[in-house]
Amino acid sequence: EVQLVESGGGLVKPGGSLRLSCVASGFTFRSYSMSWVRQAPGKGLEWASYISSSSRYNYYGDSVKGRFTISRDNAKNSLFLEMNSLRAEDSAVYYCARGHFDSSGTFDFWGQGTLVTVSS
Amino acid sequence: DIQMTQSPSSVSASVGDRVTITCRASQGISGWLAWYQQKPGQAPKLLIYETSRLQNGVPLRFSGSESGTDFTLTISGLLPEDFAVYYCQQVNSFPWTFGQGTRVEIK
Repeated sequence: EVQLVESGGGLVKPGGSLRLSCVASGFTFRSYSMSWVRQAPGKGLEWASYISSSSRYNYYGDSVKGRFTISRDNAKNSLFLEMNSLRAEDSAVYYCARGHFDSSGTFDFWGQGTLVTVSS
Repeated sequence: DIQMTQSPSSVSASVGDRVTITCRASQGISGWLAWYQQKPGQAPKLLIYETSRLQNGVPLRFSGSESGTDFTLTISGLLPEDFAVYYCQQVNSFPWTFGQGTRVEIK
């Protein structure tokens, strides 16, 4: 059974940093691209960042570019999101999502999310 | 960036109804469109990818189609478990973008 379990969320002050983690199981992690998708409270979905299976390629949404860094450790079946210079508008549930094998931008499995709250 | 505009923003329907949700792309996306369902307190669930391909395990009452830059999700014969929010997403080019969502409510 495919499982994605996020952790690392919490309350952080504006300008602060946070590192999110996602541990994968039930599939060959190194064969799939991964993404982070976020959802502000009561709002819609926003794709934040993508990383290819080998870490060769990564892309970011405009709202997080230059502040967030995506990475992965295939030996540990883990995905990460380093978030710096956090702003109130970064407050959201952050989901780790697996890229579909035929279409990496389509997300066929999602974690349950970890909540990030940026507030003073 | 490609803008995805969903309509309607909400729809009230009864069990057994046929419901249609539309998503319009601001430019051509070559069929690279997915649909997700999200229930309260849950992560989104993939329903359809590449416009019309049904994800494994998704019931056949869900279908997707395309007409130019307009994409449609149809639920034929609404069941109680289908009341949720539905999102479209283009995966043609970065940044991947979602529609604003359509809430399907019980009439």
